[in-house]
Amino acid sequence: GENVEQHPSTLSVQEGDSAVIKCTYSDSASNYFPWYKQELGKRPQLIIDIRSNVGEKKDQRIAVTLNKTAKHFSLHITETQPEDSAVYFCAATYSTLTFGKGTMLLVSP
Amino acid sequence: GAGVSQSPSNKVTEKGKDVELRCDPISGHTALYWYRQSLGQGLEFLIYFQGNSAPDKSGLPSDRFSAERTGGSVSTLTIQRTQQEDSAVYLCASSLGSRTDQETQYFGPGTRLLVL
Repeated sequence: GENVEQHPSTLSVQEGDSAVIKCTYSDSASNYFPWYKQELGKRPQLIIDIRSNVGEKKDQRIAVTLNKTAKHFSLHITETQPEDSAVYFCAATYSTLTFGKGTMLLVSP
Repeated sequence: GAGVSQSPSNKVTEKGKDVELRCDPISGHTALYWYRQSLGQGLEFLIYFQGNSAPDKSGLPSDRFSAERTGGSVSTLTIQRTQQEDSAVYLCASSLGSRTDQETQYFGPGTRLLVL
């Protein structure tokens, strides 16, 4: 089955800095890669996703890149704000969605 | 419109007891998923329902876990003879279409289960 590795497990940045979270996957057949944000005590919410026919996607301060050859994809957050502090999960799927273990992002004012 | 709802929000039970967790998906969503999230861990897939098809039970950790989806809507996850290691947040999600459509999954608030 699919195996998703996510790094780093924790990430601390200063407000205004950029943050990058990286994930690798094992199943070359995976073709959909969503990213979820989970604030403390709340449900995961989709923030951006990318499909295998696209190399990069942007939505305001958030971007995701996908390298199918290397089987890795990354989340980029620019101009970070304290409200970006949360746990971020990457996921990959061909059949069932497999999640990474999450990255706790802390943005300090 | 209303999102995915789950009940109860919290459940404390004694080891050996059975528990039932309920999920109400978004109206019109044909796909429903159950996940387990242990403290500080990722989301572990448990079971998936799509319409009237046989569920994908490949993620259920033991035969103490079972789930039903009645009328293609509400789902119940049952854990029999609960163990302390079952303590976790159980999350339900629904999506508009099948997994092959790669539809966005919308999560419920979860049920926090504590087995004493």
